[in-house]
Amino acid sequence: GENVEQHPSTLSVQEGDSAVIKCTYSDSASNYFPWYKQELGKRPQLIIDIRSNVGEKKDQRIAVTLNKTAKHFSLHITETQPEDSAVYFCAANSLYGNNRLAFGKGNQVVVIP
Amino acid sequence: NAGVTQTPKFRILKIGQSMTLQCTQDMNHNYMYWYRQDPGMGLKLIYYSVGAGITDKGEVPNGYNVSRSTTEDFPLRLELAAPSQTSVYFCASSQTTNTEAFFGQGTRLTVV
Repeated sequence: GENVEQHPSTLSVQEGDSAVIKCTYSDSASNYFPWYKQELGKRPQLIIDIRSNVGEKKDQRIAVTLNKTAKHFSLHITETQPEDSAVYFCAANSLYGNNRLAFGKGNQVVVIP
Repeated sequence: NAGVTQTPKFRILKIGQSMTLQCTQDMNHNYMYWYRQDPGMGLKLIYYSVGAGITDKGEVPNGYNVSRSTTEDFPLRLELAAPSQTSVYFCASSQTTNTEAFFGQGTRLTVV
């Protein structure tokens, strides 16, 4: 099945700086890569996703890039704001064996005002 | 659409008691999932279902059971509750494995 790993586990950035979180996946057949944001005490919610036929996708201050050859994808947050402080989960779909969405362990992002 | 609805939101169980966490979705999604999230940790998959009548184990199924008799409902059963099952439980659903997964608001369970 799919194995998804996230690095770093915790990331602290100054307000206004950029934050980058990287995920690696193992199943070369995976074709869907979402990112979820979980604020403290809340449920995870989708913030952006990318499919394997696209290398980059942007939505205002967030972007996701995908490198299929290296099997990694990254979340980029520019001009960080205090409300960006949260846990971010990446995921990848597993098309063989266990046919499901596999999540990484999450990254804690702390934006320092 | 209400999305994914979980009940209850909070529960305290005594060791050895049993309970069922309810999850229902009104989006006609095929896939449903149960995760547990320990404090400061990630999401661990307990069980999942790809459609009515079909369930499969995730990473941490021991101590839990599920059923999927309808498309809408995916209850999680805890038999003989143990302190190690103290956690926040999230139910989620998606139409396929390459579409958005929607999460319920979570159930905070404490076993004492």
